[in-house]
Amino acid sequence: DAGITQSPRHKVTETGTPVTLRCHQTENHRYMYWYRQDPGHGLRLIHYSYGVKDTDKGEVSDGYSVSRSKTEDFLLTLESATSSQTSVYFCASSAGGTDTQYFGPGTRLTVL
Amino acid sequence: GQQLNQSPQSMFIQEGEDVSMNCTSSSIFNTWLWYKQEPGEGPVLLIALYKAGELTSNGRLTAQFGITRKDSFLNISASIPSDVGIYFCAGQLNNNDMRFGAGTRLTVKP
Repeated sequence: DAGITQSPRHKVTETGTPVTLRCHQTENHRYMYWYRQDPGHGLRLIHYSYGVKDTDKGEVSDGYSVSRSKTEDFLLTLESATSSQTSVYFCASSAGGTDTQYFGPGTRLTVL
Repeated sequence: GQQLNQSPQSMFIQEGEDVSMNCTSSSIFNTWLWYKQEPGEGPVLLIALYKAGELTSNGRLTAQFGITRKDSFLNISASIPSDVGIYFCAGQLNNNDMRFGAGTRLTVKP
């Protein structure tokens, strides 16, 4: 398994508050991804990064921003959380190209 | 965007039975992958398929990349209790565009 950790693992917050989720990988992978998982939808890509300071939008990027200042860290920020952002968030990383994506353990976020 | 239709949504089987699940899409993919997810954990890759028609095995698991590049199936033979979990198919065009099916929840009765 690639060494991918996510923090926090669980978070409960209130509508309108900012939230930042952190993903850390120790594999020196170039690519990193943020997904959300909701019942009936599988995993959907929010944002991804193809290098330090290089990011792009995924399928469901509205309401989210990301930053990658170091190869090993990829942050997901909800500037003003809404109840529709209650979900389980997964980070993944890959060496690049069509290489396999390895997933972290997930963060369960509840927005009240 | 591309949508993956994964079926069945859930399966309840007896230990020792074989299992089959599949994924179809209206669009083609260059890679098909199958993941397993257990409660409280992230998806773990089971099998990756890179070529149309490819048939690949991993222990009791066998998966195939459809000839049309629009479908894939996963078979599990002689199921055991630890096979319980949610199985996801994923189709990938390039490194930043991987689409997932909604998952098949497998329950194995001892």
